[in-house]
Amino acid sequence: GEDVEQSLFLSVREGDSSVINCTYTDSSSTYLYWYKQEPGAGLQLLTYIFSNMDMKQDQRLTVLLNKKDKHLSLRIADTQTGDSAIYFCAEITGAGSYQLTFGKGTKLSVIP
Amino acid sequence: EAQVTQNPRYLITVTGKKLTVTCSQNMNHEYMSWYRQDPGLGLRQIYYSMNVEVTDKGDVPEGYKVSRKEKRNFPLILESPSPNQTSLYFCASSAQEYTEAFFGQGTRLTVV
Repeated sequence: GEDVEQSLFLSVREGDSSVINCTYTDSSSTYLYWYKQEPGAGLQLLTYIFSNMDMKQDQRLTVLLNKKDKHLSLRIADTQTGDSAIYFCAEITGAGSYQLTFGKGTKLSVIP
Repeated sequence: EAQVTQNPRYLITVTGKKLTVTCSQNMNHEYMSWYRQDPGLGLRQIYYSMNVEVTDKGDVPEGYKVSRKEKRNFPLILESPSPNQTSLYFCASSAQEYTEAFFGQGTRLTVV
């Protein structure tokens, strides 16, 4: 079946950029998402990208999509301590199906 | 306020005692789903529903049942819970298949 892979941990210093990477296997992925989960809370959508786009920027967030390599990344500029959370990459494939497949999540720790 | 409400937030139960976790959304969303979150495994979809009386299996449906008799409610039923169903459960809803999924706060279930 489809698989979404992420590294489990990332540590950065406050003020630096964070880059969280994700790879997926289903070439028919249509939408790819980044969700953020803060401790004790549910998931919150950060941003998403259509599969026909290469890049999307939204304030401090930049999403890059390389369809050839099936690689998705999330860059957070000027990382703050409030960005400490678990970040999930997710994909949804094709029409008529509502199967959101999540990666295992990357725990971002921001060092003051 | 737009929200997805799960109840209870915490539940400890014994093996074999039937339980229901409720999920309700006030956004008139068509799509609803249930996930379980386990350490090292990320989020896995249990069941989803694309509309009233339309439900389908996700990746890990064994041991669970759902129903969608009304648009706003999507309860998760464990007929005979077992310890391997100890997990953190999330309900989510979205307006359309590809639009933002709104998550509930989670239900932490322990089966002893």
